Amino acid sequence: DTAVSQTPKYLVTQMGNDKSIKCEQNLGHDTMYWYKQDSKKFLKIMFSYNNKELIINETVPNRFSPKSPDKAHLNLHINSLELGDSAVYFCASSQDLLSYEQYFGPGTRLTVT
Amino acid sequence: AQSVTQPDIHITVSEGASLELRCNYSYGATPYLFWYVQSPGQGLQLLLKYFSGDTLVQGIKGFEAEFKRSQSSFNLRKPSVHWSDAAEYFCAVGALLSLGGGADGLTFGKGTHLIIQP
Repeated sequence: DTAVSQTPKYLVTQMGNDKSIKCEQNLGHDTMYWYKQDSKKFLKIMFSYNNKELIINETVPNRFSPKSPDKAHLNLHINSLELGDSAVYFCASSQDLLSYEQYFGPGTRLTVT
Repeated sequence: AQSVTQPDIHITVSEGASLELRCNYSYGATPYLFWYVQSPGQGLQLLLKYFSGDTLVQGIKGFEAEFKRSQSSFNLRKPSVHWSDAAEYFCAVGALLSLGGGADGLTFGKGTHLIIQP
């Protein structure tokens, strides 16, 4: 069973479009995260949610909006996509806010043309 | 703010040889330290972690790491590498939220790309 899953695995779209990436975890964790990995493989946290509540919102354009319908899901919606949004986006989860051990999904490679 | 430095962007090791990947961190308190591995096209897998206690921690796949507070380091080692170890390795530090509790996400180093020569 996949612990943290993301869909789609690959996403190719044009500038200006709106797209969503979905993330689900079946670990019963309370806290979920979105990270962005750029072309140089540098990973940076974007958001974290704890029990559906936004905890961390790093300096990310407001075109990025996370949505957590329940604590097992954290989706990432991106409006008006730009070339610079091309990256691999990773979802992760941890037991709770006090747990630093995070489990990562397989990533979604977003290519904006 | 915390930071992580992995000084080696690429490392090439012969199969069967020993390996050490370097990681230095900057953080004002006792850090929570991690090593993750990312195989090509895959997500990140946790190799090992240090929270407290014994400064030499054992992980999966035969890896170990040693926390040295005096050097602000958490280097990853393996006595004998296998071709399947070729991957990207990330060191990370966990930090507390400024409000006094909780995980502030992980801060990652820029990764070390490990190449295994036959």
